[in-house]
Amino acid sequence: EADIYQTPRYLVIGTGKKITLECSQTMGHDKMYWYQQDPGMELHLIHYSYGVNSTEKGDLSSESTVSRIRTEHFPLTLESARPSHTSQYLCASSELGGREAPTDTQYFGPGTRLTVL
Amino acid sequence: DAKTTQPPSMDCAEGRAANLPCNHSTISGNEYVYWYRQIHSQGPQYIIHGLKNNETNEMASLIITEDRKSSTLILPHATLRDTAVYYCIVAGGSQGNLIFGKGTKLSVKP
Repeated sequence: EADIYQTPRYLVIGTGKKITLECSQTMGHDKMYWYQQDPGMELHLIHYSYGVNSTEKGDLSSESTVSRIRTEHFPLTLESARPSHTSQYLCASSELGGREAPTDTQYFGPGTRLTVL
Repeated sequence: DAKTTQPPSMDCAEGRAANLPCNHSTISGNEYVYWYRQIHSQGPQYIIHGLKNNETNEMASLIITEDRKSSTLILPHATLRDTAVYYCIVAGGSQGNLIFGKGTKLSVKP
C-alpha cells in the first residue's frame, strides 16, 4: 500500500489568497507529479519532478508553481487564487526518477478539492 | 506516447467477470500497457501493467494480443466496489509520463 499524503483534503478560499497544497510521500520515491482534474473530466499532468531541485511543467499549462527541496515533499503553490483554479489536485509519486528511466508505477494521494470563491 | 481507445461505459453483473477492452494500435516496441482505476474522484489506483506477456495479480488479469495492438483487463469476479472509471494507458520511453484519457466507466450491478 502506498504512503502518499495530501493536505488539506478540502479547501474553500477567497479570490486573491495565496495557497499551498502539501504532498508528501514516505516511500523514498524520486519522481513526483501533480495532476489537475475537474469533476467528471480527465486528469491532466501540470507539474512533475525527477528528484530534488528538479521541476518540470506538464502537459496542461498551470499558473501554479512547485518546488522540490526534499525528496519526500512536493508542495504546489498558487500565488493568487482565482475561481478558475477550482478543481481537484492529485499528487503522485513513482520509484524511477532519471530522465532516461522508463515509466514506472505511480501511486496517488487522496487529492485536495479546492474551491475558490 | 501512443493513444488508447476505450468504450465510454460498460455494465457488469455482480459476481461475473468484467472484461474491459482497450485498443492501442500505434503502440511502439518499448511501451507498456498500464491499467489504473479511479473510484468516485479518489486518487487513481494502479491495477496492473504488461509489455508482451499476459499478466495476473491479486486484482486482475491483463491479456495482450500477440501484435500488441489491443488488450483486455479482466476482473474475474466483479463486486459492487469495483464500480469505477478504468483507464488504459500506454507509456514508456525516455519521458515516461502517463497520459490519462477518458477511460471506461464500469458499473457493477447487483
